[in-house]
Amino acid sequence: DAGVTQSPTHLIKTRGQHVTLRCSPISGHKSVSWYQQVLGQGPQFIFQYYEKEERGRGNFPDRFSARQFPNYSSELNVNALLLGDSALYLCASSLLQGANSPLHFGNGTRLTVT
Amino acid sequence: GNSVTQMEGPVTLSEEAFLTINCTYTATGYPSLFWYVQYPGEGLQLLLKATKADDKGSNKGFEATYRKETTSFHLEKGSVQVSDSAVYFCATPTDTGGFKTIFGAGTRLFVKA
Repeated sequence: DAGVTQSPTHLIKTRGQHVTLRCSPISGHKSVSWYQQVLGQGPQFIFQYYEKEERGRGNFPDRFSARQFPNYSSELNVNALLLGDSALYLCASSLLQGANSPLHFGNGTRLTVT
Repeated sequence: GNSVTQMEGPVTLSEEAFLTINCTYTATGYPSLFWYVQYPGEGLQLLLKATKADDKGSNKGFEATYRKETTSFHLEKGSVQVSDSAVYFCATPTDTGGFKTIFGAGTRLFVKA
């Protein structure tokens, strides 16, 4: 089975622009989470979706939003980009909705804001 | 909420050396504990997990024991290889029944041939 796939792999944007990142979970996984990983740090939780509903939100501004589609794929949107949004954005899927269920990560989207 | 603290890196070892990467946790109850590994240019992969106190997780020669007495989940491997060079993250749910996993800052391991 294919793992978690994310697109694009790399992206360069300028301040103030908008970006959409996409994620396809492992087949059969209904939970998708988004994490931001700044260089040299551990991933920071942004959102979790399960069965198309938002189940958790991290400490990120309202410029960050996400949604999950009927096929369980997901999009992360970031508006009004700031230089500090430059990071690796990771999508993870899991079989169950609780955080005791292991996460399966994609390879991430590297976002650079100039 | 729950949290994890792991030792700072980088850790540099010669091939076949013994590895220990320390991780301690603070938690209400006994949440699952995880070790994830991140190879260069890739996302994180689950390395091993333990779901309750005194459990031992193991995979690919790595082991970690969930010790409630010392609130620790140290990662060990008896003989490291160059291919083990990566960043290792300790992780746990922020609270029982929660949807959020919290990660340590990561420990970078370099293994020299």
